[in-house]
Amino acid sequence: DGGITQSPKYLFRKEGQNVTLSCEQNLNHDAMYWYRQDPGQGLRLIYYSQIVNDFQKGDIAEGYSVSREKKESFPLTVTSAQKNPTAFYLCASSARYTSYEQYFGPGTRLTVT
Amino acid sequence: GESVGLHLPTLSVQEGDNSIINCAYSNSASDYFIWYKQESGKGPQFIIDIRSNMDKRQGQRVTVLLNKTVKHLSLQIAATQPGDSAVYFCASETSGSRLTFGEGTQLTVNP
Repeated sequence: DGGITQSPKYLFRKEGQNVTLSCEQNLNHDAMYWYRQDPGQGLRLIYYSQIVNDFQKGDIAEGYSVSREKKESFPLTVTSAQKNPTAFYLCASSARYTSYEQYFGPGTRLTVT
Repeated sequence: GESVGLHLPTLSVQEGDNSIINCAYSNSASDYFIWYKQESGKGPQFIIDIRSNMDKRQGQRVTVLLNKTVKHLSLQIAATQPGDSAVYFCASETSGSRLTFGEGTQLTVNP
């Protein structure tokens, strides 16, 4: 059963702590993406990766970091530098960077208090 | 800068009616457009897409219309059902093959 998994579904952290969100795909997709979604708003791109060991900043990369050591995995770290980290985080992948259709995971809701 | 927006944040329809959700985009160079459906607490699901060399594309109960002259696209859902209740997003391809998403329209289907 192919797809994108994100874990955990809900995550709670104290302010000042770094936290890493997991994203795994078994679709053999080259490109992967991280989005942030706030209530009543659209998706904003944080980071994306076209290929293993390469990634680029999106529109709101400040306070976040990523790695792409394996094709299947694209973890996102929300650092203490992110001023407003509470949000719904969505991971997506596409077959190739020039294939525009993106497949989304179920999301992780992060709450920082 | 690049933006993608929707004309209405909410839409309420009766079960069995047709629904029309509109979207405007700003980048005339956008080559690809896509509609997603997002149910509460879940990730977006692909509905239908269209390239800029087409004006219309049909799927199962859904039709996307693209008017490049006024930079507008719409999603039509035929015979709307309660299971269609969700937030609908349009997105357009921008430079570097990224997608820019609109803010979404909440569709509510009344029985």
